[in-house]
Amino acid sequence: DAEITQSPRHKITETGRQVTLACHQTWNHNNMFWYRQDLGHGLRLIHYSYGVQDTNKGEVSDGYSVSRSNTEDLPLTLESAASSQTSVYFCASSASGAYNEQFFGPGTRLTVL
Amino acid sequence: AQSVAQPEDQVNVAEGNPLTVKCTYSVSGNPYLFWYVQYPNRGLQFLLKYITGDNLVKGSYGFEAEFNKSQTSFHLKKPSALVSDSALYFCAVRDSTGRRALTFGSGTRLQVQP
Repeated sequence: DAEITQSPRHKITETGRQVTLACHQTWNHNNMFWYRQDLGHGLRLIHYSYGVQDTNKGEVSDGYSVSRSNTEDLPLTLESAASSQTSVYFCASSASGAYNEQFFGPGTRLTVL
Repeated sequence: AQSVAQPEDQVNVAEGNPLTVKCTYSVSGNPYLFWYVQYPNRGLQFLLKYITGDNLVKGSYGFEAEFNKSQTSFHLKKPSALVSDSALYFCAVRDSTGRRALTFGSGTRLQVQP
């Protein structure tokens, strides 16, 4: 069965370190998204991609970057981790088309000390 | 800019009673509306969506939602709640002409008491 996976599921790091969160989908979806979930804020969009070599900034992109070298993967990099980036991170994907629903990964809980 | 409001942080309902989780939205064009459910320590699961057509949309697990254009609302409903429906529910919207990413509400925790 097709799926979307994230790794690691839990990560503890220190302020200033670079961290990369992996997202891999086997749906062959063109659209991929990264969100963060914080209490009281719901999910907020960090970055998104409509296809290989395409990346776009969301509302809370400062301090994060992504790259899309193939259809299946959209890794999220925190260039210099800050305590404000402690959160749960969700990756999602959807098929091309205006009204297709997104499928979400299980999430990565990141703690920055 | 598009936005979603879920005015209730928590909704409590007794098992067997009907439930409603409220959602209002704001978009510049025609809205595409979605409901997702999140169980503890899990990702979001798609429940239903409104794109066009009939204002009453039926989805998974017996849930339905009513689109009301004049009130810019998309409330989630179920005729008879189950204890297993207890979870966090998110409403989301995107503009039909804009980017494909969703804007989410802050979520409503549904607690169904036995």
